[in-house]
Amino acid sequence: RKEVEQDPGPFNVPEGATVAFNCTYSNSASQSFFWYRQDCRKEPKLLMSVYSSGNEDGRFTAQLNRASQYISLLIRDSKLSDSATYLCVVNKVGYSTLTFGKGTMLLVSP
Amino acid sequence: EADIYQTPRYLVIGTGKKITLECSQTMGHDKMYWYQQDPGMELHLIHYSYGVNSTEKGDLSSESTVSRIRTEHFPLTLESARPSHTSQYLCASTGRGHFSSTDTQYFGPGTRLTVL
Repeated sequence: RKEVEQDPGPFNVPEGATVAFNCTYSNSASQSFFWYRQDCRKEPKLLMSVYSSGNEDGRFTAQLNRASQYISLLIRDSKLSDSATYLCVVNKVGYSTLTFGKGTMLLVSP
Repeated sequence: EADIYQTPRYLVIGTGKKITLECSQTMGHDKMYWYQQDPGMELHLIHYSYGVNSTEKGDLSSESTVSRIRTEHFPLTLESARPSHTSQYLCASTGRGHFSSTDTQYFGPGTRLTVL
């Protein structure tokens, strides 16, 4: 089983739609969780950290379910500029490294 | 905004040449990383460093080598480039430096390497 698994998509949504991505991780001892955004041919950039109680940053909401070992990202009122690949990221237990998922591609159309 | 730099941004080179990809950060971060990413594919960790004089191999085997003589500098070297080394190489850093207090990784813009 892969350490971090995501649906690669693409998710095609119209502007203004709400879209949700899920990600599962294999190691129950993982402690740090993030969502990164990567635009085509660019470097990944941190979108938000994911906290146990869930957290919100504007139109973005992240949730963590430790019992089921999954993380979610909800984007409300999608904008054209949200089109990107969203990477689910989990710390590698026992190392000071992160494991990146393959990413979920989002395409927002007018 | 994170200050992490990579040079060159693009490099086209012939087979057999020795190349060094530069990565520098001004955030005082102790940990630095090199990733390899092919178009449309996932990031693979190839090297990392906990600090000066520390280097470790990552999850993906790589023929490249790294060094960490100074905190801010983490160059990657390929002794003899081959077409199979064609990829994008991304450098990242993290640590309790001047501008961060979490394990968030900040990435440089990447070097796109093409070996002919």
